[in-house]
Amino acid sequence: QVQLHESGPGLVKPSQTLSLTCSVSGTSVTSRNFYWSWVRQAPGKGLEWIGYITGGGITYYELSLKRRATISVDTSRNHYSLKLNFVTVADSATYFCARISTSSDSDFFDLWGQGTRVTVSS
Amino acid sequence: YVLTQPPSVSVAPGQTARITCGGHDIGRKSVHWYQQRPGQAPMVVVSYNDDRRSGLPDRFSGSNSGNTATLTISRVEAGDEADYYCQVWDSDTNHREVFGGGTKLTVL
Repeated sequence: QVQLHESGPGLVKPSQTLSLTCSVSGTSVTSRNFYWSWVRQAPGKGLEWIGYITGGGITYYELSLKRRATISVDTSRNHYSLKLNFVTVADSATYFCARISTSSDSDFFDLWGQGTRVTVSS
Repeated sequence: YVLTQPPSVSVAPGQTARITCGGHDIGRKSVHWYQQRPGQAPMVVVSYNDDRRSGLPDRFSGSNSGNTATLTISRVEAGDEADYYCQVWDSDTNHREVFGGGTKLTVL
C-alpha cells in the first residue's frame, strides 16, 4: 500500500525557511512513472500547486514561488522535501505532498498525504 | 492558464449536480477532478475527463468539450457534500499544474 506522510514544524517565524519532508512508503521516489509534488491550501481557500520533482530529479515550480521554493529528493531515505525561503504570513497553509501520475498527455494527482498545517507567526 | 469554477452549487438529494470548469479551449486538454471533504486531503474522482476512480459510484461522470469541462453527480446524496476542484496540466507554461478555484457542493 503506497502512502505519503508529511512532517515538519507547525510554526515558522517570518523571514525564515519553511522545511517539510514527505516520507514515501510502498513505492520508490526514483520511479519514472511518477512525479513528487507539493500543494498547499491556505485556510478557507483553494488548492495551490507549489512544484514537483521528477524521478530523474528535474524540478518545476509555480512561477510565483520559483524564487523561494526548492524541492529535492533523498533516495536513500525514500523521501522528498520542500524548502520555502523568506516566508510571510501569506505562506500559512496546510501543505500536502502528493504523487503525480504522468503520461505524455497530462498529469494528475493520484495519491495525497494527509497534509500538515504550517503557521507563519512571530 | 486559468480555470474558472462557480464558487457554489446547491442541489436537493436525488437530483443532479453539474459542476463546471471553464478554460480557453479546455476541450483540448485532459481535465481531472478532485473531491475534498472538510478536514481531509483531496481525492481524485475523475481523471482524463471521464475516467472514474476505481470503486467510485457510477453516479459520478465527467465530460469535456469546447471551453467547458463538467463533473456531473447524479442522484446526489448527503455524503457527496464537499469541495470539488478541476485541474489540468499546462504544458505551455513551465509544465504547470493548474487548479480551478473550487466549487462547494451543498446538498440541501
